[in-house]
Amino acid sequence: KQEVTQIPAALSVPEGENLVLNCSFTDSAIYNLQWFRQDPGKGLTSLLLIQSSQREQTSGRLNASLDKSSGRSTLYIAASQPGDSATYLCAGISGNTPLVFGKGTRLSVIA
Amino acid sequence: KAGVTQTPRYLIKTRGQQVTLSCSPISGHRSVSWYQQTPGQGLQFLFEYFSETQRNKGNFPGRFSGRQFSNSRSEMNVSTLELGDSALYLCASSPDDNEQFFGPGTRLTVL
Repeated sequence: KQEVTQIPAALSVPEGENLVLNCSFTDSAIYNLQWFRQDPGKGLTSLLLIQSSQREQTSGRLNASLDKSSGRSTLYIAASQPGDSATYLCAGISGNTPLVFGKGTRLSVIA
Repeated sequence: KAGVTQTPRYLIKTRGQQVTLSCSPISGHRSVSWYQQTPGQGLQFLFEYFSETQRNKGNFPGRFSGRQFSNSRSEMNVSTLELGDSALYLCASSPDDNEQFFGPGTRLTVL
């Protein structure tokens, strides 16, 4: 059974700092790993999808990597801005199963 | 292309009542999944429908049910509401079992 853990649970950084969010999963037979952003009381916005044949994906200031052998994914945010403040969630799919989510990392970027 | 839409956005019910939530997926997406999000449990999978058939089901009591129509729109129903059913209910659609796209959610409050 897939389990997803995100560390840290909360993070506060000054504006402009580069930061890394971590996601670990127990089932290395992961098919896809997807990163989401959630603003308070809102739905989830898809940030990046890494398929099993890929090792990383980039979108603007965001870069996500996937290492299936170690069961880890990282989301790198460059030059953080106050507008990046949100909860970041990672979720994995193994086989024909639904997304399994971590509890998220709550990010605060201080101006 | 319009995103995933969910109605209503907010709902207040009393214990013992029943409720129906609606989700319209992105045009062309045939897979619709439902998730419950609470502060304590995080995001938990309820069920997934594909071409009007339930393909996966999470670990929720039988009071939670769903269906999908021929136009891929989906509804979920919760009968005999309990206080613990208060949550944000999120719907997601997918074109190909890869990337999931989420709606804004329905905030259900049970009094």
